[in-house]
Amino acid sequence: DVKVTQSSRYLVKRTGEKVFLECVQDMDHENMFWYRQDPGLGLRLIYFSYDVKMKEKGDIPEGYSVSREKKERFSLILESASTNQTSMYLCASPPGGQLPYEQYFGPGTRLTVT
Amino acid sequence: AQTVTQSQPEMSVQEAETVTLSCTYDTSESNYYLFWYKQPPSRQMILVIRQEAYKQQNATENRFSVNFQKAAKSFSLKISDSQLGDTAMYFCASPSQLTFGGGTRLMVKP
Repeated sequence: DVKVTQSSRYLVKRTGEKVFLECVQDMDHENMFWYRQDPGLGLRLIYFSYDVKMKEKGDIPEGYSVSREKKERFSLILESASTNQTSMYLCASPPGGQLPYEQYFGPGTRLTVT
Repeated sequence: AQTVTQSQPEMSVQEAETVTLSCTYDTSESNYYLFWYKQPPSRQMILVIRQEAYKQQNATENRFSVNFQKAAKSFSLKISDSQLGDTAMYFCASPSQLTFGGGTRLMVKP
C-alpha cells in the first residue's frame, strides 16, 4: 500500500521559532511536493523536489526552505515562524516518469503559530 | 503560468441526487491530464478521477464522471446518486499538478 506520512498532525509554535515539518514516503518515488492549504485559496505549491538534494521553488517559497538528503524524506523548514504561516501543510508524492500521475498525499500537518 | 478556477466555493445536494462541480483551467500544453481530488473532513486527500486530454471520451469511475470540454478548457465533475460519504472538499488540479483550484465544499444532505 502506498504511504506518505507526516511527522505531526497538529503543531503549535511561537513566533520566531524554527519549525521543521517532516514528510516520508515509502514508494521509492523521486518526486515530492509541499503544499499549503488555506480556505478559499486551495492548495498552493511551496517547494518541490525531483531528486535527492534537488529542489525547486513553487509559487509561494518566501519564508520557507526545504531539505532532501534522502530519497524518501522531504523536510519543510520555517526559518522564523510567523503568524501568517498558520495553515495546513500537505506533503505529496507522485510516481515519476513523463506522464503526470496522481499525487499521493500525506494526512497533513495543521500548524498554528502564536 | 497555469491557472485553475473553481467558481463554486460551496454546494449542497440531497442524497441520491446528482450534482456537478465546475472547473476551468488554462494551459499552453497540448497533451496533458486533469485531475479531481476529494478531501473528506479530517481525512487524507485522494484521487477521484483523471482525464487524459487527448482522449475524446469523458472519464468515468462508478458514480463519478467528467464533462471535459477541451476547447473551452472546462473540466467539470458530475456525481450521480450522491451519498453522505461524498461530503468533502473537492479540488481540481492542473495538467502538471503544480496548480490546484480553490476547492468546492460539497455537503450531501440526508
